[in-house]
Amino acid sequence: AQSVAQPEDQVNVAEGNPLTVKCTYSVSGNPYLFWYVQYPNRGLQFLLKYITGDNLVKGSYGFEAEFNKSQTSFHLKKPSALVSDSALYFCAVRDGGNRDDKIIFGKGTRLHILP
Amino acid sequence: DSGVTQTPKHLITATGQRVTLRCSPRSGDLSVYWYQQSLDQGLQFLIQYYNGEERAKGNILERFSAQQFPDLHSELNLSSLELGDSALYFCASSVDGVIDEKLFFGSGTQLSVL
Repeated sequence: AQSVAQPEDQVNVAEGNPLTVKCTYSVSGNPYLFWYVQYPNRGLQFLLKYITGDNLVKGSYGFEAEFNKSQTSFHLKKPSALVSDSALYFCAVRDGGNRDDKIIFGKGTRLHILP
Repeated sequence: DSGVTQTPKHLITATGQRVTLRCSPRSGDLSVYWYQQSLDQGLQFLIQYYNGEERAKGNILERFSAQQFPDLHSELNLSSLELGDSALYFCASSVDGVIDEKLFFGSGTQLSVL
């Protein structure tokens, strides 16, 4: 069965600095990887996805993610953090080798951008 | 606004009771997903429906059941409620439920079991 891990419960970054939110995954087939963001009292919103092709994926709000097959990672990045980026971020995976292709989410990483 | 509507927004009930959560997907979306979000467990996948049929099942308790109706709205039924069932329940939808699609989430139903 597929799984996804977000090793950090919380990440603190100063405004203007680059940020990274980490994600690792485990699948039996090809991974389909996603990042979502949750603002307070809201549902999750899609940020970006990796299906195939270029390992660097660009998404909404200036975010990007780098797929690394050898390290089974899909870290979320942004060159310059904004206070408004403070939210809960979820990494998710679907397993292309599994007919029961449910989408599994990590536990989430809370991102605090300090002014 | 994602276009996914969940009702009610808040639900307070007692242990042993039964509740029904309702979800209306985005117009045109055929697939509906249910998730449970709690502080200790994170976001847990419960079940997915596609055009009225169950497609995938996660860690859904036997006390819980769901269905998707011909008009594509979905209901999640929770029975014999326990304190530990208190959580935020999300519904999400996607067009075809295929593997590379993004999900659109509703704002959730906050369930409090007292």
